[in-house]
Amino acid sequence: DVKVTQSSRYLVKRTGEKVFLECVQDMDHENMFWYRQDPGLGLRLIYFSYDVKMKEKGDIPEGYSVSREKKERFSLILESASTNQTSMYLCASSLSRDKIVRPFFGQGTRLTVV
Amino acid sequence: AQTVTQSQPEMSVQEAETVTLSCTYDTSENNYYLFWYKQPPSRQMILVIRQEAYKQQNATENRFSVNFQKAAKSFSLKISDSQLGDTAMYFCAFMAFQGAQKLVFGQGTRLTINP
Repeated sequence: DVKVTQSSRYLVKRTGEKVFLECVQDMDHENMFWYRQDPGLGLRLIYFSYDVKMKEKGDIPEGYSVSREKKERFSLILESASTNQTSMYLCASSLSRDKIVRPFFGQGTRLTVV
Repeated sequence: AQTVTQSQPEMSVQEAETVTLSCTYDTSENNYYLFWYKQPPSRQMILVIRQEAYKQQNATENRFSVNFQKAAKSFSLKISDSQLGDTAMYFCAFMAFQGAQKLVFGQGTRLTINP
């Protein structure tokens, strides 16, 4: 089965710190995504990537950047963490050529910025 | 831009009952996919069921079925013979047929199954 692994389940960081959230998938998927989950808002797309070194902004990219140097790894970067970035972050991946389209998700990282 | 609306923030039913979760969406696309994901307390997002818009037949997966009304842009999830393990957040999501497989999610419905 497909495995999407996020490096941390819980993180606590200080305001102004540079924060890296890492995501790795093991099924050679072209597409990778970072979503943010907040109560009452569902999941919102931050950034996505459809190939190595390719990235596109999602609906809420402000304050974030991403890196995809290898196909299996997609990193979300908070350049200077702020308290309003306290949230749950979910990574997902999917295969472009898949006849049965179905994104797979990691287990989530709950980030608290203090 | 597409939007997805889940109008029931919370629902609660007794074990073995049938429950229906509502979802409406707005799009100008003709071909697309719709999904229901389950998120239990473990936080792992689990795909429950998917529907291709070009298929008129409603998708079913064991105790889970959907009522897909394309003209009304409605996509409800029915859970039959509910079990305690069905307790979770449920998210409805839209994906355009063409493009980068981005999901647009609803706000979520917290479902509690009581013993």
